Formats: sequence, C-alpha cells, structure tokens
Amino acid sequence: QSALTQPASVSGSPGQSITISCTGTSSDVGGYNYVSWYQQHPGKAPKLMIYDVNKRPSGVSNRFSGSKSGNTASLTISGLQAEDEADYYCSSYTSSSTYVFGTGTKVTVL
Amino acid sequence: QVQLVQSGSELKKPGASVKVSCKASGYTFTSYTMNWVRQAPGQGLEWMGWINTNTGSPTYAQGFTGRFVFSLDTSVSTAYLQISSLKAEDTAVYYCAREAYGGAKGYWGQGTLVTVSS
Repeated sequence: QSALTQPASVSGSPGQSITISCTGTSSDVGGYNYVSWYQQHPGKAPKLMIYDVNKRPSGVSNRFSGSKSGNTASLTISGLQAEDEADYYCSSYTSSSTYVFGTGTKVTVL
Repeated sequence: QVQLVQSGSELKKPGASVKVSCKASGYTFTSYTMNWVRQAPGQGLEWMGWINTNTGSPTYAQGFTGRFVFSLDTSVSTAYLQISSLKAEDTAVYYCAREAYGGAKGYWGQGTLVTVSS
C-alpha cells in the first residue's frame, strides 16, 4: 500500500486560508468516507483534527475543515494562526481493511 | 479521561529484541482496537497495524510482518509491540493510538523512541 500523496510544504500569512491536498486511489480515499487528518507539532504525538472526511472532534477549532472530491481529500485551515505551524498528515481506510497515512505536509506561517 | 502511557526509550544492539508497552486507562480496554504507528527520524507516519483488544487478533500492514508482534495483557489494560532481530532502520518513535471515531485515531500515547545502534 503506497502512502497517500501530499505536498511537502504549504505556507501562508496570518489570517489567510490554506488548503492541503491528499491524493490516493479508488481503493482508499476515493472508495471510502474514512479520511482523517492529524496535526503534529515537533516532538509531540499527532492530534486528530478531522475524521470521516469532514467531521471535527470536540475541542478542535472550526477553522479546520475537510472535504473530498474523487480520489483527493483536502484540509483547509482558515484564519491561519502562528500555532497552526506544524506537520499535517492525512489517513484513509483501504480496500485491504488496513489504513494508510499520507506523506505529510509542513505548514509554515509566514 | 482516556490516557495511553508508553514505556520509556530503549537503546538496543542490532539483532536484539525490544518490547514496547502501552498502558491504557480511563475507558474499557477491550472496547476499542489499538493501533501501532512508526515514525522514523525526520520522516512521516507509517501505520503498522492494529490489534483487536476483544479477540487478540492482530492485523499487520505490509512491511510489518514477521519481526513485529502485537500482543495484549487485558488484565492490566496494556498493549505490547515486540520487534525481534532489530536493524538500524528500526530506529524510530513508536506510537500506540486508540480509535475514537470509527477508525480515526483519537488518542495517542506519548511515543517510545527505540534506537538500534552497535
């Protein structure tokens, strides 16, 4: 199972919106609404930000939103803040009854 | 509150074995599957597999068969990851992660650094 494809880096200024893409295949992202997104600050454990494509766990800011079109899922961060600077990973359930993570995206707040 | 507390860092020589523990609290241990995730230095997350905490049945991702074993001790609400015949490329932080919403990993341990070096 190959890792899902994400851009290596995305940047934006405070207050702007950015979108991170996550491209898979019809056997993972495109086949199931089980895409989740994780935020990871350096030296810390990942934190769940979005599950089931577009649902937010309680306590996660509504500045984070998710969507999916075909084999590509997206995470949008609106009103970018300094604390959003981190690595972000997507993940999807697969047709093999396993999970796969994306390659990861480093978000930089300019 | 849900907590996953992992064992401390390990330094092992090539060819040795290591067993990482993940002690759960704050919920019924056997009600949720436990995942294991690897992160090599400076690299991304890799899903290693999961174990059904009710039946003890493990599922391993490609690349994590043979030398990797998931196990449980339900009497102490603890999941284990054992890696045998360690290689330098096994050097990584290993996380346990519990599902929260469907298969999404909503709760994570703090991670255990395993260093393999002669």
